Amino acid sequence: EIVLTQSPGTLSLSPGERATLSCRASQSVSSNYFGWHQQKPGQAPRLLIFGASNRASGVPDRFSGSGSGTDFTLTISRLEPEDFAVYFCQLHGDTFGQGTKLEI
Amino acid sequence: QVQLVQSGAEVKRPGSSVKISCQSSGGTFTTYTVSWVRQAPGQRLEWMGGIIPRFGTANYAQKFQGRVTIAADKATSTAYMELSSLRFEDTAVYYCARAQKYGDPFDSWGQGTLVTVSS
Repeated sequence: EIVLTQSPGTLSLSPGERATLSCRASQSVSSNYFGWHQQKPGQAPRLLIFGASNRASGVPDRFSGSGSGTDFTLTISRLEPEDFAVYFCQLHGDTFGQGTKLEI
Repeated sequence: QVQLVQSGAEVKRPGSSVKISCQSSGGTFTTYTVSWVRQAPGQRLEWMGGIIPRFGTANYAQKFQGRVTIAADKATSTAYMELSSLRFEDTAVYYCARAQKYGDPFDSWGQGTLVTVSS
């Protein structure tokens, strides 16, 4: 069973700053099946990145994904107020990280 | 734009069953996979199972085998998830979500349905 571990658990930043979120797999995985989602309180999650580095439709270009093997990164280049949310990674459709809370 | 709309919150007794619906609009329902995942308080998301409405055969996570039934009605573009023998620890928000195929990240999510198991 593959486990996804996200870090940090909470990230405190200000608008305009750069955010770097990490998701580590317990063994090497195919990036084809790796994605990142954003979740705001009371809302449905939203797909941001698929295939580790491809932005989903309508996702601003300040969001970027990278990585391969066991280490994957979501980068938000310049934080906007609406970016403060929980972010979680997903693998193979059935495995999820525990989430990183991005707070002001 | 695909939209998945789930049925409303439920309060259930231990030992009973709950059935949640997920209606799709604005996209092709039958050729995608529809999965059900849940998130208990303070826990990470947990995949329960999924179905390809076009074929009608569901796949279940081992943890839920025998307790969960997932079905789809192509005529109404609606997927269903029924969980039986409810326990207190089944209290969670349940989501349906769509992917192009099994293994892909979900590209659309329902809004979530809170199920509370309480005596």
